[in-house]
Amino acid sequence: DTAVSQTPKYLVTQMGNDKSIKCEQNLGHDTMYWYKQDSKKFLKIMFSYNNKELIINETVPNRFSPKSPDKAHLNLHINSLELGDSAVYFCASSLGTSGQETQYFGPGTRLLVL
Amino acid sequence: AQSVTQLGSHVSVSEGALVLLRCNYSSSVPPYLFWYVQYPNQGLQLLLKYTTGATLVKGINGFEAEFKKSETSFHLTKPSAHMSDAAEYFCAANDGGSNYKLTFGKGTLLTVNP
Repeated sequence: DTAVSQTPKYLVTQMGNDKSIKCEQNLGHDTMYWYKQDSKKFLKIMFSYNNKELIINETVPNRFSPKSPDKAHLNLHINSLELGDSAVYFCASSLGTSGQETQYFGPGTRLLVL
Repeated sequence: AQSVTQLGSHVSVSEGALVLLRCNYSSSVPPYLFWYVQYPNQGLQLLLKYTTGATLVKGINGFEAEFKKSETSFHLTKPSAHMSDAAEYFCAANDGGSNYKLTFGKGTLLTVNP
């Protein structure tokens, strides 16, 4: 069983389109995250939810909107896609928010905006 | 704000040689420290972490890291490199408390030559 899963794995789309990425974890964790990895492999946190509440909201364009329908799911919706949004997006989860917990990462969604 | 510096974006070793990947953090209060590994086209996987206690931490696949407060370092080592160790390695730090974001270094690509 995959601990943290993401769909789709690959996403190729045109500029201006709206797209969603879904994430699910079956670890029973309370906290979930979205990260963006750019072409130079740099990883930066975008959002974090704890028990369905938004707790980290980094400086990202408001075209990006996360939604957590329940503790096991965290989706990312992106409006009006731009070329600069091309990246790999990783979902992750952890047991809590003390900072000591291991974060478990999904396999990533490779987004290419043409 | 916490920052993590990984010296050397690319390290190349021969199979059987010592692996040393360097990581320094910036905060005056020792954070929680992590090493993650990313194999090609995959998500990140925890190698090891330091939270409290013993400063020499052992991880998976024969890796270990030593937390040195006086040097604000958390270097990763492995006595004998294997071809399967070729991957991108990320050092990360989390201050805990009210700021529990995981801050990543820029990564070090390890190549292992036969």
